[in-house]
Amino acid sequence: EPEVTQTPSHQVTQMGQEVILRCVPISNHLYFYWYRQILGQKVEFLVSFYNNEISEKSEIFDDQFSVERPDGSNFTLKIRSTKLEDSAMYFCASSELNRGYGYTFGSGTRLTVV
Amino acid sequence: AQKITQTQPGMFVQEKEAVTLDCTYDTSDQSYGLFWYKQPSSGEMIFLIYQGSYDEQNATEGRYSLNFQKARKSANLVISASQLGDSAMYFCAMREGSQGGYQKVTFGIGTKLQVIP
Repeated sequence: EPEVTQTPSHQVTQMGQEVILRCVPISNHLYFYWYRQILGQKVEFLVSFYNNEISEKSEIFDDQFSVERPDGSNFTLKIRSTKLEDSAMYFCASSELNRGYGYTFGSGTRLTVV
Repeated sequence: AQKITQTQPGMFVQEKEAVTLDCTYDTSDQSYGLFWYKQPSSGEMIFLIYQGSYDEQNATEGRYSLNFQKARKSANLVISASQLGDSAMYFCAMREGSQGGYQKVTFGIGTKLQVIP
């Protein structure tokens, strides 16, 4: 079964540092997403990405965040200068065009900002 | 208005019994899909079941079935023969299409299920 792979599974970083969360989407998927889940809260949409550009971003996705597909396989989320409130689980997802069965989440990266 | 409503913050079920987790949704799209995910304490999001808005039959995956009532906009998850390993947080979620082709998924706040031996 194809899967979305996220690395690392857990990252601890100091406030103010830059972090890059990495994701390898399913190979034939065209749409890529990042979601965030603060501990004990619901999962929130951050950004969608298609054809090398952002399709939509939420109000959470401010100038501190950026996404990139640096090569044909990786999809990254960069947080420029982390804050304590960025501590959360970050999920990557990918999908084919308009196919719910193909919408797949990775297992997440737990980011802890200290 | 909430797009996904899960009204049961916590549920208990006896092992081997069936349990229903409630979910109602709100959308004006004709084409949409509904998911249920399981999130154990380790944090990963595990896909359980999916129902498309045009699917005429209720989705089933092993012990999981989705009771889809389109007119009432409800998509309840039924877990049959509960097992101790079913204890987890359960999220109902909905994808809505867009003209751009991508699909944003909106999640409910979750229901914490505890299976009692």
